[in-house]
Amino acid sequence: GEDVEQSLFLSVREGDSSVINCTYTDSSSTYLYWYKQEPGAGLQLLTYIFSNMDMKQDQRLTVLLNKKDKHLSLRIADTQTGDSAIYFCAEWNTGNQFYFGTGTSLTVIP
Amino acid sequence: DAEITQSPRHKITETGRQVTLACHQTWNHNNMFWYRQDLGHGLRLIHYSYGVHDTNKGEVSDGYSVSRSNTEDLPLTLESAASSQTSVYFCASNEGSGELFFGEGSRLTVL
Repeated sequence: GEDVEQSLFLSVREGDSSVINCTYTDSSSTYLYWYKQEPGAGLQLLTYIFSNMDMKQDQRLTVLLNKKDKHLSLRIADTQTGDSAIYFCAEWNTGNQFYFGTGTSLTVIP
Repeated sequence: DAEITQSPRHKITETGRQVTLACHQTWNHNNMFWYRQDLGHGLRLIHYSYGVHDTNKGEVSDGYSVSRSNTEDLPLTLESAASSQTSVYFCASNEGSGELFFGEGSRLTVL
């Protein structure tokens, strides 16, 4: 399968910005996604970006895509304790397959 | 509201036993997927189906099987459970490239 890499852990202080990074290898990715998993629950879609876009903003969330470097990032502004969760990036390609990263566990320190 | 449900949510079994995890979705999605989640590995695809009577192997399919006799259900069977199959299992469904909807997960412990 395709490789999608993320750092395993990130800690930030409440009110600061969080940046979660992701790298992928599949150049045919069409959509790239960010999913959030709260403890004991399944994954829920946070946001997504089409591969021909560089940036997408949705309230406190900013997604940046560098297609040349195959690098995706999720910035959460004014991080709150409720943002503590595991964040997964995922790519979808024309083979109708989703490939998920290893997940980044975000801890927000009050 | 449409949903995707998994059962059981928690299961403890012994090595060598057959185990079936159920997945039921009311989205009327054609695509259904089974993943396992392990620390350091993220989500890994076990099996998937693009429609009734269609099943395909994912990257970690050994020791698992699925069947798709209707649109709503994709049960996952562990033929002879092994300790390496202790994990959290997630079922998901979608249509095309659309959002993947996940179940709440089934935590399986094989002793």
